[in-house]
Amino acid sequence: DAMVIQNPRYQVTQFGKPVTLSCSQTLNHNVMYWYQQKSSQAPKLLFHYYDKDFNNEADTPDNFQSRRPNTSFCFLDIRSPGLGDAAMYLCATSRYPRGQGAHEQYFGPGTRLTVT
Amino acid sequence: SQQGEEDPQALSIQEGENATMNCSYKTSINNLQWYRQNSGRGLVHLILIRSNEREKHSGRLRVTLDTSKKSSSLLITASRAADTASYFCALYGSGNTGKLIFGQGTTLQVKP
Repeated sequence: DAMVIQNPRYQVTQFGKPVTLSCSQTLNHNVMYWYQQKSSQAPKLLFHYYDKDFNNEADTPDNFQSRRPNTSFCFLDIRSPGLGDAAMYLCATSRYPRGQGAHEQYFGPGTRLTVT
Repeated sequence: SQQGEEDPQALSIQEGENATMNCSYKTSINNLQWYRQNSGRGLVHLILIRSNEREKHSGRLRVTLDTSKKSSSLLITASRAADTASYFCALYGSGNTGKLIFGQGTTLQVKP
C-alpha cells in the first residue's frame, strides 16, 4: 500500500547530541512537510518542500534543518537538541499542483523524540 | 491569527450519540479540512470542503461550511468507541501557499 513511513518511531537522544529523523513516501507526492506537535497542541509546521524548493517557516529555529535528496525521502536534522525539542515529529505529503489549491495531506505515524 | 479555533476543546458522549465539533476562523480560505488523530499516532484526513461548498458527507461524517460566518462544523453520527480521538480543523488560505494551518483540536471521548 502507498504510504508515508517514518523511522524510527521512538528516538531518545541526549541534550546537545545531533539527531536525524527520516521520512519516506511511496505516494510520489511532490510536497513533503515536517510538523512538530507537542502534547495536546496543534501540529506546528516547521518547513516544507515543494518539489526541491525548500520553504522554511519564519519561526522555525535555526537548530532545525531539513534535506530532501529525492522525491521519496526527506530528513529532519536537529543539530543540538534541547529539552524543549522533545515532541512528536510528523511528516506529511501532499499532491499540490500549483494554482489549484491544497489537496489533503497524508501523514506518517510520527517519531516521538525524547531528549535526556 | 490564521489558526482555526475549535469548540469545544473536549467532548465526552455515550456510544450511539452524535458528536458535533465546531471550527471558527478569521481569514478567507480556499478550503477547510478535517483530520482525526488517535493518541500517539499521525493524523488521518477525513474531509475536505472547498469555499464554494456548503456541505459534504462521508459515511457517518457530515461537514458544513458557512463562509459568511467563517465557521465549519463536523458532525459524527451514531458514534462508536473507535471514534475516540482528537479532531482538528485545518485551513488552507487563499494565498496559495500550499500550507495548512491547524486548529487546536477537539478531544472526543466516546464511552461504550
